[in-house]
Amino acid sequence: GQQLNQSPQSMFIQEGEDVSMNCTSSSIFNTWLWYKQDPGEGPVLLIALYKAGELTSNGRLTAQFGITRKDSFLNISASIPSDVGIYFCAGLVGVEYKLSFGAGTTVTVRA
Amino acid sequence: NAGVTQTPKFQVLKTGQSMTLQCAQDMNHEYMSWYRQDPGMGLRLIHYSVGAGITDQGEVPNGYNVSRSTTEDFPLRLLSAAPSQTSVYFCASSYGRANGNTIYFGEGSWLTVV
Repeated sequence: GQQLNQSPQSMFIQEGEDVSMNCTSSSIFNTWLWYKQDPGEGPVLLIALYKAGELTSNGRLTAQFGITRKDSFLNISASIPSDVGIYFCAGLVGVEYKLSFGAGTTVTVRA
Repeated sequence: NAGVTQTPKFQVLKTGQSMTLQCAQDMNHEYMSWYRQDPGMGLRLIHYSVGAGITDQGEVPNGYNVSRSTTEDFPLRLLSAAPSQTSVYFCASSYGRANGNTIYFGEGSWLTVV
């Protein structure tokens, strides 16, 4: 599979702070996806990006598809305790559903 | 996670034992796949299927078999479990050749091989 480098690996943030994480790849992707995984559950899709340069928001979440198609970032504004979890980026090439995942960013929010 | 059901949720196996992880979806999805999740490595694709009767290997297929006799079910078989197969397994399904926002994951199966 194609390797996605996700950073940071983990972060501790204060409630109300903004969070930023990113994913880079040596390969081009046609679609970038951002998932959140809560303990004991499967990943749940947060945002999907389909075009280079695309900027998409979902509530307090904003994600962008890099111009080079080799990177993406996710921002969470005004973090709250329920933002705790592991966030994964995933890339998709072509139409086959072979997702390549980053290693995840673990977010812990201090109240 | 609605619509993709995995069983069992937890399982402990002895080395050399065999078992099957079950996955079922009720959304009439064409595509189904199995991933494993290991610490610090994200999810890696094991096997996938683009429709009933059709399966193919993913990134880490060794030690696993799959079959797709119906649209709804996609079981993952471990023929002779090894400690390296201790992991969390996720089944996913999706409809048609659309974009990535149609991929749904199950809640996971925690497998420990001792």
